[in-house]
Amino acid sequence: KAGVTQTPRYLIKTRGQQVTLSCSPISGHRSVSWYQQTPGQGLQFLFEYFSETQRNKGNFPGRFSGRQFSNSRSEMNVSTLELGDSALYLCASSLLPGTSYEQYFGPGTRLTVT
Amino acid sequence: TQLLEQSPQFLSIQEGENLTVYCNSSSVFSSLQWYRQEPGEGPVLLVTVVTGGEVKKLKRLTFQFGDARKDSSLHITAAQPGDTGLYLCAGAKDSNYQLIWGAGTKLIIKP
Repeated sequence: KAGVTQTPRYLIKTRGQQVTLSCSPISGHRSVSWYQQTPGQGLQFLFEYFSETQRNKGNFPGRFSGRQFSNSRSEMNVSTLELGDSALYLCASSLLPGTSYEQYFGPGTRLTVT
Repeated sequence: TQLLEQSPQFLSIQEGENLTVYCNSSSVFSSLQWYRQEPGEGPVLLVTVVTGGEVKKLKRLTFQFGDARKDSSLHITAAQPGDTGLYLCAGAKDSNYQLIWGAGTKLIIKP
């Protein structure tokens, strides 16, 4: 069974631009979560989607948004990029939402904002 | 404010040595998970502990959940270079909410 895939793997953008990251969950998994990882900060939860609906949202500004499609694939968008948005963005899928189900992570998208 | 504090932040030891890393909080968790993340990859779940005082062993790795379910430790016996990575702990307060993550312990095992 294929794992979680994320595209692109690396991205360089300039301040003010916007970016869209994509995540394909493990086949059969219906819940997708997004995290931002920066050195020394650990994983910061962005949002969770289940059945095309945002189920939970972390404490990030409205520039960060996401969506989930009917095939459970998910995208996240960051508008008006800032230098502080440089980070590894991780996507995780699970069979169903909630902490009772194991999350499987993708390799991440490394975003650099210059 | 980090709800889960991991210590040490960084640890570099020789192959064959033993080590313990810690995950501490003032909050009570219903369960706690440990992950290992290698460079260029996402975190991989190692173990979930759910009962206060619980001890789980995974080959040379021993995980313990504190009696009060506020802290956890990971002990590695006879560390090997393959153990190198970022070790993250994550706590669950409720199955309907998201995991709360520690900042991680970066472990390097030198051959």
